[in-house]
Amino acid sequence: AQTVTQSQPEMSVQEAETVTLSCTYDTSESDYYLFWYKQPPSRQMILVIRQEAYKQQNATENRFSVNFQKAAKSFSLKISDSQLGDAAMYFCAYRSPQTSGSRLTFGEGTQLTVNP
Amino acid sequence: GAVVSQHPSRVICKSGTSVKIECRSLDFQATTMFWYRQFPKQSLMLMATSNEGSKATYEQGVEKDKFLINHASLTLSTLTVTSAHPEDSSFYICSATQNMQFFGPGTRLTVL
Repeated sequence: AQTVTQSQPEMSVQEAETVTLSCTYDTSESDYYLFWYKQPPSRQMILVIRQEAYKQQNATENRFSVNFQKAAKSFSLKISDSQLGDAAMYFCAYRSPQTSGSRLTFGEGTQLTVNP
Repeated sequence: GAVVSQHPSRVICKSGTSVKIECRSLDFQATTMFWYRQFPKQSLMLMATSNEGSKATYEQGVEKDKFLINHASLTLSTLTVTSAHPEDSSFYICSATQNMQFFGPGTRLTVL
């Protein structure tokens, strides 16, 4: 079974600065998908960014980018120019393409605080 | 983007009663929906996978007779917590799939 590990329960960053959230995973599959979700205080899960394992290029979405290291099974999220609205719980998630209905395996989460 | 709604957003009930939570995909059809449970400051725990027209698949340790799931149409799945007890108090989240998962806003259940 796949596992996802987020080793940083809490992180903090100054507004306008850059922060990196870590995520590692374990799998024997060669093809899969990785995601970062944001859960603000409203608790609505919001997709931040996704990465297909077969793509070597790291995904980017505006201020959000990932460092995908397939051999190391690492998938970190970098948030540039941090904003107060970025404060939230961030979850890393794994999805096997072979699983029907796109089941997700989540990490434990990292609580991000943005200081003004 | 795809929108998923949940109703109610918040419910308080007495111990021993049953509570039904609805999950709807508003602008797409979802053959598969998922139900999660989340305790404060913890991750989402998958409870069951709900497929339209068939019985739900429950995760290990989840009582299927306590958490009844019905997926009667491609846009609606319901979770009924039967004979609720205070330990069932939690935040319940559903998601619906259309190539990827789209999440509902969640339902906070408090059992007195």
